[in-house]
Amino acid sequence: IQMTQSPSSLSASVGDTVSITCRPSQGVSNDLGWYQQRPGKAPTLLIYAASKLLSRVPSRFSGSGFGTNFTLTISGLQPEDFATYYCLQLYSFSITFGQGTRLELK
Amino acid sequence: QVQLQESGPGLVKPSETLSLTCSVSGGSFSNYYWSWIRQPPGKGLEWIGNIHSSGNTKYNPSLRSRVTISLDTSKIQFSLTLTSVTAADTAVYYCARVLGSWLDWGQGTLVTVSS
Repeated sequence: IQMTQSPSSLSASVGDTVSITCRPSQGVSNDLGWYQQRPGKAPTLLIYAASKLLSRVPSRFSGSGFGTNFTLTISGLQPEDFATYYCLQLYSFSITFGQGTRLELK
Repeated sequence: QVQLQESGPGLVKPSETLSLTCSVSGGSFSNYYWSWIRQPPGKGLEWIGNIHSSGNTKYNPSLRSRVTISLDTSKIQFSLTLTSVTAADTAVYYCARVLGSWLDWGQGTLVTVSS
């Protein structure tokens, strides 16, 4: 399965709402996760199973989608949200990552 | 809460073999996939391969000819072996526990391939 993540980069201001999209080349049910990575750190899980928010993650993060179209939305950006975001899916025992979206402060 | 820790040499010579171990603590070894993932400097994440607690493996087709992932259930560890390395294999290598789209990650270890 190929994963198309867009955009590759995004400039926004504190308080903005942004969306990032991932499109698997074939349907993966809802088995898609969203990860945040800060420089020099390992990725950390934000959302799993397409829309389930990890308990420690702020509610301004949300995920939606099914099959071949998934979206991560951050509503009301905070300074700590400027990082790189990756989608990930597990299908047939294989993992595929999106190319990443670098979210930068405008 | 599960914790994963990668260990191994930080420098490997070209054409030699890269070997890393991931030690797992604080969680069950059974009924999970265990994965190796890498990230070249300044680039995105690349899946290397998975091993299930049953011992079944699956590898990235682009690396399959050079990769072996194995389990040591007695030590609660799993390992990565990558043969015939080149500069292109320089990366931060992460181990992870996989349950669907939920991954718990180690902190990562930088491996540089250089003479």
